[in-house]
Amino acid sequence: AQSVTQLGSHVSVSEGALVLLRCNYSSSVPPYLFWYVQYPNQGLQLLLKYTSAATLVKGINGFEAEFKKSETSFHLTKPSAHMSDAAEYFCAVSPPQGAQKLVFGQGTRLTINP
Amino acid sequence: EPEVTQTPSHQVTQMGQEVILRCVPISNHLYFYWYRQILGQKVEFLVSFYNNEISEKSEIFDDQFSVERPDGSNFTLKIRSTKLEDSAMYFCASSEEGRTEAFFGQGTRLTVV
Repeated sequence: AQSVTQLGSHVSVSEGALVLLRCNYSSSVPPYLFWYVQYPNQGLQLLLKYTSAATLVKGINGFEAEFKKSETSFHLTKPSAHMSDAAEYFCAVSPPQGAQKLVFGQGTRLTINP
Repeated sequence: EPEVTQTPSHQVTQMGQEVILRCVPISNHLYFYWYRQILGQKVEFLVSFYNNEISEKSEIFDDQFSVERPDGSNFTLKIRSTKLEDSAMYFCASSEEGRTEAFFGQGTRLTVV
């Protein structure tokens, strides 16, 4: 069975500071990995995905994530936080085939301080 | 940009009543999903649907739940006899053939009183 753990239910950073949201996964086979973002009163929007190509994945809004098999991690980073990045971020894992169900982490709420 | 549309955005129902949550997936997508998120908990998979039948369902998706694609555009989730613990945000999602990512709707917040 697959699972995802997001370390830190709340992360707070200053505007302009580095954003680091942690995600570790458990899977018996090399998985596909995703980060989704949920802005207030909106649905889940795909930020980026890893599907066994390049281990460093770039997404929308300046975010990127690196797949590290040895650490079973897929941490999300952004060099410089913007106020508009305040949202809930979800890491998710799926089996390495197309159109499979997603298993989500519990989410991390990111707050940006002025 | 194409998007998944869910209606209503918020529904309040009395315990024991039937509810139908509606979704219009992206038009060329062939895989459809329902997820739910109880307040303060993880987003959980309920069911996936492909080629007019359920392809996978979770333990949560018991006999009180059903899904249907009544026409070429809508995808519905029916909860037959709602319980207080069914109160949650319900998300519909869809995927394109051969693609890995799912696109989500804005969700329907169901409140059972």
